[in-house]
Amino acid sequence: SQQGEEDPQALSIQEGENATMNCSYKTSINNLQWYRQNSGRGLVHLILIRSNEREKHSGRLRVTLDTSKKSSSLLITASRAADTASYFCATASPGSGYSTLTFGKGTMLLVSP
Amino acid sequence: KAGVTQTPRYLIKTRGQQVTLSCSPISGHRSVSWYQQTPGQGLQFLFEYFSETQRNKGNFPGRFSGRQFSNSRSEMNVSTLELGDSALYLCASSLVPGTDTQYFGPGTRLTVL
Repeated sequence: SQQGEEDPQALSIQEGENATMNCSYKTSINNLQWYRQNSGRGLVHLILIRSNEREKHSGRLRVTLDTSKKSSSLLITASRAADTASYFCATASPGSGYSTLTFGKGTMLLVSP
Repeated sequence: KAGVTQTPRYLIKTRGQQVTLSCSPISGHRSVSWYQQTPGQGLQFLFEYFSETQRNKGNFPGRFSGRQFSNSRSEMNVSTLELGDSALYLCASSLVPGTDTQYFGPGTRLTVL
């Protein structure tokens, strides 16, 4: 079953613009991770934010987490054509000690030159 | 450090056959998880192994099985293949189950004819 729901499903922007993707989830979490996938290849880990964190940065990426609203957002600043990919959020549930991730359906980002 | 490796990368089988996929985690990682990705269902969790023990299993039929060896390498097996088993099978490894970043391999693309 899908825990996260990404919004929008698809996003088309020009190079240099910022891209914002949102993720909502249903149950309490231990952490939330964002991944990128190019054309059906493997998932590339972008950033992990723990449930006690509110914001995290990595290069051109900024992730926020609002556990009261059960939502997260991923901001990519100054987008490049190479950022074209599908982006997924994935949540890990607390307490179980499991590594199981529950994924959303993803946002497809197209960055045009 | 080498990343997660999966073999084979592509596989074509016919209905009724069985298949074994292999995953070698990042050196030092002892937790291995498997996921199935299809256009219709998205990314779904199959199993998680840690120290040669299956710790968690997703909602898949018994035709899907797996194991982990003492060197942390893992295999998954699908018996009596069905057309619907056509998918990208992804393996992920992490250092510590439950709280740590998971790193994904490139996947094995299985096509069932």
